[in-house]
Amino acid sequence: EDQVTQSPEALRLQEGESSSLNCSYTVSGLRGLFWYRQDPGKGPEFLFTLYSAGEEKEKERLKATLTKKESFLHITAPKPEDSATYLCAVQAIGGAQKLVFGQGTRLTINP
Amino acid sequence: SQTIHQWPATLVQPVGSPLSLECTVEGTSNPNLYWYRQAAGRGLQLLFYSVGIGQISSEVPQNLSASRPQDRQFILSSKKLLLSDSGFYLCACRGPTDTQYFGPGTRLTVL
Repeated sequence: EDQVTQSPEALRLQEGESSSLNCSYTVSGLRGLFWYRQDPGKGPEFLFTLYSAGEEKEKERLKATLTKKESFLHITAPKPEDSATYLCAVQAIGGAQKLVFGQGTRLTINP
Repeated sequence: SQTIHQWPATLVQPVGSPLSLECTVEGTSNPNLYWYRQAAGRGLQLLFYSVGIGQISSEVPQNLSASRPQDRQFILSSKKLLLSDSGFYLCACRGPTDTQYFGPGTRLTVL
């Protein structure tokens, strides 16, 4: 069974304090790993897709990396507007492109 | 790019009442569509997905059903709501490169 575990569950940082969020996964065959950002009461917003180990993607203060067992979302010099829940999901090869999600990391950036 | 509409945005229903949530998609044709539920503080759980009109796959045995009467319309229903049906319901559409894009969601509270 495909599984995704995210850690920590919650993270509180000061503005400018860089850190990383972890997403560990087990999947029969990885088609893609996805990162989303979710603000309270809203639908998830797509951030990145990673397809193979060693791949990296960047967007503003965020950088996502991928290994064969886990992915990291690095946040550099975060700002209060980066506060959100970050969700990780995997898609296995085959099927109807179903996503299996982790429980998310709730990130709070204090000014 | 596609736009996903969901309504209603918020719904409060008594136990035992029926349910109908609607999702419509603009800007794409013959998309894969998905219904997810998110319990408070948790990740997303896939409920149903559809690869075409009248084609529905169920992921979790439950009190809910789904239908796809038109290419860009996906409906989530229940004949009798349970307390455990409360949650945040999200409709998603598959875009290019297997990425799923989410609608704004419907907050359902069953009392």
